[in-house]
Amino acid sequence: DQQVKQNSPSLSVQEGRISILNCDYTNSMFDYFLWYKKYPAEGPTFLISISSIKDKNEDGRFTVFLNKSAKHLSLHIVPSQPGDSAVYFCAAPLGGSNYKLTFGKGTLLTVNP
Amino acid sequence: NAGVTQTPKFQVLKTGQSMTLQCAQDMNHEYMSWYRQDPGMGLRLIHYSVGAGITDQGEVPNGYNVSRSTTEDFPLRLLSAAPSQTSVYFCASSYSKTGLHSEKLFFGSGTQLSVL
Repeated sequence: DQQVKQNSPSLSVQEGRISILNCDYTNSMFDYFLWYKKYPAEGPTFLISISSIKDKNEDGRFTVFLNKSAKHLSLHIVPSQPGDSAVYFCAAPLGGSNYKLTFGKGTLLTVNP
Repeated sequence: NAGVTQTPKFQVLKTGQSMTLQCAQDMNHEYMSWYRQDPGMGLRLIHYSVGAGITDQGEVPNGYNVSRSTTEDFPLRLLSAAPSQTSVYFCASSYSKTGLHSEKLFFGSGTQLSVL
């Protein structure tokens, strides 16, 4: 059973608006979360992460919010740009190790000009 | 700096054939791993290695073998390919085998495998 869930397969937004990608998890032992971005025919690339001791982490246009009580995290992209169009994966470390990740199914973000 | 290099990029096999997917990294990373990506399934960990001579199973190891004779290389072997192994395979590496949260995975560009 998947421990990290992304229930929205796709999201479409207009350029300049906010994109919000959601992720839920079931394992309360997860203490770190990561977001990866993947373009077609390329491997995933690390985007942003958050420790469970924080509820927010910001890096430029990207902000991740963590709600531990709801076992929910979200990635906000503001403002969205056409180059942000990609598949976004939420991930968490298995067994507390950052290199053994379990991934969600991904959300395809399309930013329309 | 090439990073993580995977070969081949595309491969078609017949059921029962064997092959090896190659992965090499030039970043002196201790940790290497293999993932497969299937439609609607995300990425799933197949095998991983925390250093030369050390390998372990991930979430979906059946049908795959690995070995790690050098720090740089981590090949994935399919001994008898099955249609269920049709997928995109990604190799990834990371510097710290202790799994410090400051480290992140670097992925190769993938191998698209079709088993007929």
